[in-house]
Amino acid sequence: DGGITQSPKYLFRKEGQNVTLSCEQNLNHDAMYWYRQDPGQGLRLIYYSQIVNDFQKGDIAEGYSVSREKKESFPLTVTSAQKNPTAFYLCASNDRVITEAFFGQGTRLTVV
Amino acid sequence: QQPVQSPQAVILREGEDAVINCSSSKALYSVHWYRQKHGEAPVFLMILLKGGEQKGHEKISASFNEKKQQSSLYLTASQLSYSGTYFCGSSGGSNYKLTFGKGTLLTVNP
Repeated sequence: DGGITQSPKYLFRKEGQNVTLSCEQNLNHDAMYWYRQDPGQGLRLIYYSQIVNDFQKGDIAEGYSVSREKKESFPLTVTSAQKNPTAFYLCASNDRVITEAFFGQGTRLTVV
Repeated sequence: QQPVQSPQAVILREGEDAVINCSSSKALYSVHWYRQKHGEAPVFLMILLKGGEQKGHEKISASFNEKKQQSSLYLTASQLSYSGTYFCGSSGGSNYKLTFGKGTLLTVNP
């Protein structure tokens, strides 16, 4: 079955450590996105990518980094520069902006 | 910038209707609507495109006013399963940047 997979579902890290969240899709979608979700803040765009080897900053990119070396993969690294990394992170993909976006099940990151 | 949604929350009794609004300060190319249950991934409801084309589900309708840069989602004869947080997403052009609003929490009670 086609879909988008995020792993792990829960992640715990110590403050000051970098951590990488995985996002894989087998839908052959060109576009992929990372969103951060905090209570009352909705879905805030971190990074997005239209094609392989190209990505753009979203609205809250500071403290995050991404790569897009393969069409099906778009990992997100939360660096130690991110001041408040504890949040629910969602990855999504779609074929074009005028088509339905499919979301992964999310990764809940807790930094202690 | 995130699109602006209103109201922030609404409580209904089963069978009642609701309207959720979404507006943008930028020209809209497409508007997406999604529903999210607590702890789950958002699920697609509808896409409205500049020019009037609409793609979505049968039991939910929406409008898209390009001049006012606004969209509204109409939920009629609400069911308990309609409860959740509704998000509108917008893109300002043919690029792939898709941004979402803060959401509207809909609660349907028996």
